[in-house]
Amino acid sequence: DQQVKQNSPSLSVQEGRISILNCDYTNSMFDYFLWYKKYPAEGPTFLISISSIKDKNEDGRFTVFLNKSAKHLSLHIVPSQPGDSAVYFCAARRGNNNDMRFGAGTRLTVKP
Amino acid sequence: EAGVVQSPRYKIIEKKQPVAFWCNPISGHNTLYWYLQNLGQGPELLIRYENEEAVDDSQLPKDRFSAERLKGVDSTLKIQPAELGDSAVYLCASSLTGLAGGLGTDTQYFGPGTRLTVL
Repeated sequence: DQQVKQNSPSLSVQEGRISILNCDYTNSMFDYFLWYKKYPAEGPTFLISISSIKDKNEDGRFTVFLNKSAKHLSLHIVPSQPGDSAVYFCAARRGNNNDMRFGAGTRLTVKP
Repeated sequence: EAGVVQSPRYKIIEKKQPVAFWCNPISGHNTLYWYLQNLGQGPELLIRYENEEAVDDSQLPKDRFSAERLKGVDSTLKIQPAELGDSAVYLCASSLTGLAGGLGTDTQYFGPGTRLTVL
């Protein structure tokens, strides 16, 4: 069962513009959400996270928004840079057992 | 500080052969995970260890897959015999989990993975 969905397999944006990556989930028990970034031939690296008690978390150029009623979260990158080109995975977990479920990923391409 | 180390990085074998992957987690991390990542998909958990105990192996195909973490540090994942459908990237991750890590943290840190090709 696909409990975390990233419906856009790819996204292309111009350098300096905003990148918005979306993620939907089905399990209302999820209470912690994370975004990972993956370059080719490397493992995913943690980018930013948000607890279900918040609706926004910001870290530099990266902001994650959570809409619990819609079971939707998004990652905003402003301004986008060519080095941001990677595959971005959304992940969700519930409780403290760290059983994390990943989406299929969105490949972001930032064009100079 | 060294990250999660995995070896080999790449492995090509013929079907029905055995294969093993090794993982050394970040020093001090008590929880270790093995994930399977198929092309175009996100990582899927195979097994999770807390120290030397396998606390979640519900997604591990036990007829051909086995894993161990004998001293609660590094771990091996084995497939015997390998099948064509096992071709994928096998990722290892670790985290500092529980009270020592703080609630709501437990961020998982991934190794570079082992890309397995079964011919």
